This record gives sequence, C-alpha cells and structure tokens, in this order.
Amino acid sequence: AQSVTQPDIHITVSEGASLELRCNYSYGATPYLFWYVQSPGQGLQLLLKYFSGDTLVQGIKGFEAEFKRSQSSFNLRKPSVHWSDAAEYFCAVGAGPGNTGKLIFGQGTTLQVKP
Amino acid sequence: EPEVTQTPSHQVTQMGQEVILRCVPISNHLYFYWYRQILGQKVEFLVSFYNNEISEKSEIFDDQFSVERPDGSNFTLKIRSTKLEDSAMYFCASRNSLLTSGSYEQYFGPGTRLTVT
Repeated sequence: AQSVTQPDIHITVSEGASLELRCNYSYGATPYLFWYVQSPGQGLQLLLKYFSGDTLVQGIKGFEAEFKRSQSSFNLRKPSVHWSDAAEYFCAVGAGPGNTGKLIFGQGTTLQVKP
Repeated sequence: EPEVTQTPSHQVTQMGQEVILRCVPISNHLYFYWYRQILGQKVEFLVSFYNNEISEKSEIFDDQFSVERPDGSNFTLKIRSTKLEDSAMYFCASRNSLLTSGSYEQYFGPGTRLTVT
C-alpha cells in the first residue's frame, strides 16, 4: 500500500540555519512526489514536485528536494531558514498519469524558527 | 492567479445534522478532490471526482458522504448526518488533467473547519 512517513513531527531551527525535513515513501511504481506547506489557518501551498528527470528539484521560497530512489526518500532542504518559514510541511505521493491522482500525505512536520 | 475557494470557512453544526461544504475549483480544471484533516493528524484523501462521477473514494467516504457538481462552477461535499468524529478541516482541490505530468499538481482551497457538537 502507498504510504508516506515523515519521521520528525516537530523541528526547531535558528533563523539563518540550514534545514532538512525528511520524507520516506512506499509506492509500487514510480512515484510522483510533492512537498506542501501549510501556514496557520491557511490551505496547502505547493512548494515543489518531482515527476521524473533531475533528482534535485527546485521549488519556491528557496526550497529544494532530492529524490533518492534507493532510499525511497524525498527530503526537503533549505540552506538558510527565515522566520517566515515557520509552518507545517507535508510530503505527499501520488500516482502517475492515467490514475485518479489522489495524494497520500505524510503526518507532517511542524517547523519552528528561533530568532 | 486563479485559486480554489471554499465556503464557509468555519461551520458549526449539531450531531445528526446535515452539512454541505462548498468549493469553487479553478475554472478550467477537470478533476476535483476532497480531503480532510482531523486536528493534529495528517491530511487524508476522501474522494476524487471526474466527468460527473466519483472516480475513487476512500474507506472514510461511506454512505453518509456524497459529492456533487450541481453546476459548472461549484463542487460540494454533503455529510448527511454528522458525527462528532466528522469534526475536521475539509480541503477541496482541483487539477487540470491526468494525461500529462506537467499538469499533475493539485491546487488546494483554504479549507472549511467543521465543528460537530
């Protein structure tokens, strides 16, 4: 069955420090992978996505993620965190073209940024 | 930039009552979804809808739930007889096409917080 695991429920980093949020997935075929961010009271905003090709993908707000098939991982990174990055981050996996397109989400990681 | 909208932002209802959550997907999108997020838990898929019919539903989406696209713009989720455990944030999402990966991403609305008392 498809599943997504985000091992870190809560992470605190200092402003300006680097960030890595972990995501592991279980999927039978080539996965379509996504990272979404949710600020308090807001909906889900897409940060970046991976479908194929270059395994290092760039997203909005200075985020990037690397797909590692051998590790079934799609970790999100940012070299220097800003206070406005404090939010909840969700990793998700979806089926490819021709399927219904539903997304399976991880539990989410709450990012707190210290001044 | 086009966006998915949802109304109301917050709905309070009594157990056993019917509620209808409304969504206006992006106008040229063809695929529509409902997800829910119980407080402190992950976002869960409920149902997908295409060509005026359900294309996939989860175990959560039992007979108490129904979806409808009553006109060319709205997409609704109805819960016939609400239970306490239906309290959650409900997100609507839409996407353009499933045929090409470039149009694969789903756009989410801001959500409706449903509180069942």
